[in-house]
Amino acid sequence: AQSVTQLGSHVSVSEGALVLLRCNYSSSVPPYLFWYVQYPNQGLQLLLKYTTGATLVKGINGFEAEFKKSETSFHLTKPSAHMSDAAEYFCAVRGTSYGKLTFGQGTILTVHP
Amino acid sequence: IAGITQAPTSQILAAGRRMTLRCTQDMRHNAMYWYRQDLGLGLRLIHYSNTAGTTGKGEVPDGYSVSRANTDDFPLTLASAVPSQTSVYFCASSVSGGEQFFGPGTRLTVL
Repeated sequence: AQSVTQLGSHVSVSEGALVLLRCNYSSSVPPYLFWYVQYPNQGLQLLLKYTTGATLVKGINGFEAEFKKSETSFHLTKPSAHMSDAAEYFCAVRGTSYGKLTFGQGTILTVHP
Repeated sequence: IAGITQAPTSQILAAGRRMTLRCTQDMRHNAMYWYRQDLGLGLRLIHYSNTAGTTGKGEVPDGYSVSRANTDDFPLTLASAVPSQTSVYFCASSVSGGEQFFGPGTRLTVL
């Protein structure tokens, strides 16, 4: 069994500020972890993923996430927010290499000028 | 390359009616998935198919059925729609163990 908890349904930052979106997971097997972004009225787009190897993962649009097994976390960060980053972000876990995704509840990111 | 297409884009449906949401992918992915997205609940898996000819139940399968007659198509059918099935429905596909690619979604309202 696996589950994902995203802390904070809404996060608001100023343009240029650090973005931190929190994700904690539970999984009975070594997890595969994902962050997806959803812009208004669109489908989901993969930002980045962790499978094995390096625990710091870099994705598109300047985002990165670090897999911390001891904390069961996979938080998403970006050093400097842009207005175009405003969207909903979903963390997801997959328990095996050939399995189904379980999504968190989503975090809506608002970026203020 | 279109990727994944879904039809219709949106639909308003009377309760009790039958409805099929269509999903087609042109990437020759073996696995396909149907999710529903509801505010505050994220995406929840309805049904999936690991390969043509096989299907499986996800987290919220009740009231829905699927078929996978070929690699490209994975329709989702609501036999008798109820208001609680009002949602945004996303189809996705992937190769085994790979990234899931999502369609643009179908917004369904059941009155």
